[in-house]
Amino acid sequence: AAGVIQSPRHLIKEKRETATLKCYPIPRHDTVYWYQQGPGQDPQFLISFYEKMQSDKGSIPDRFSAQQFSDYHSELNMSSLELGDSALYFCASSRGGTGSLKTQYFGPGTRLLVL
Amino acid sequence: GEDVEQSLFLSVREGDSSVINCTYTDSSSTYLYWYKQEPGAGLQLLTYIFSNMDMKQDQRLTVLLNKKDKHLSLRIADTQTGDSAIYFCAESIRSSASKIIFGSGTRLSIRP
Repeated sequence: AAGVIQSPRHLIKEKRETATLKCYPIPRHDTVYWYQQGPGQDPQFLISFYEKMQSDKGSIPDRFSAQQFSDYHSELNMSSLELGDSALYFCASSRGGTGSLKTQYFGPGTRLLVL
Repeated sequence: GEDVEQSLFLSVREGDSSVINCTYTDSSSTYLYWYKQEPGAGLQLLTYIFSNMDMKQDQRLTVLLNKKDKHLSLRIADTQTGDSAIYFCAESIRSSASKIIFGSGTRLSIRP
């Protein structure tokens, strides 16, 4: 079965650079979520989108922005990168809007390393 | 507040049962999940239970929920080396429609 696709899988950037992470949800899923997992940490919710509108916001820094496009894929834009942004970034998707009844399926993650 | 707690490590002998425990604080939890993360890999949804259920069984996995004590457990029968991973307990709550709150994860290691 098709899963959530994330690209790139690995990314190395230097401080103060920008990065763009992409997420392609499971077909017919209309909701995407972004999580950040620091080394040895549990995943922390950043932001979510339903039908191209932001639906919930977590601990996302102001330097980060995200959007969902008409084909439901999403991009997480990260600017002025800091060393502390090094983490595994997960995208998850679900169907039918946000809400706790909508089980989230996670992608493999993008591992970002900021030097 | 929102908090999910798990013990950090569990070691079991191959073929034995593993029981991973989790406690949560938010009584408005609606779904509770178990995710598996192998080294360097993503989060794999293993199973989930709705908060009005007390047990769910899926092949080698048994989830028990004690809503009164806010305690969730995952039992893996006949544990195999391929079960070595970090297991995250997680909850979704009514006050936030989107986010899932994760525990710190329990690292399960298998002894021969």
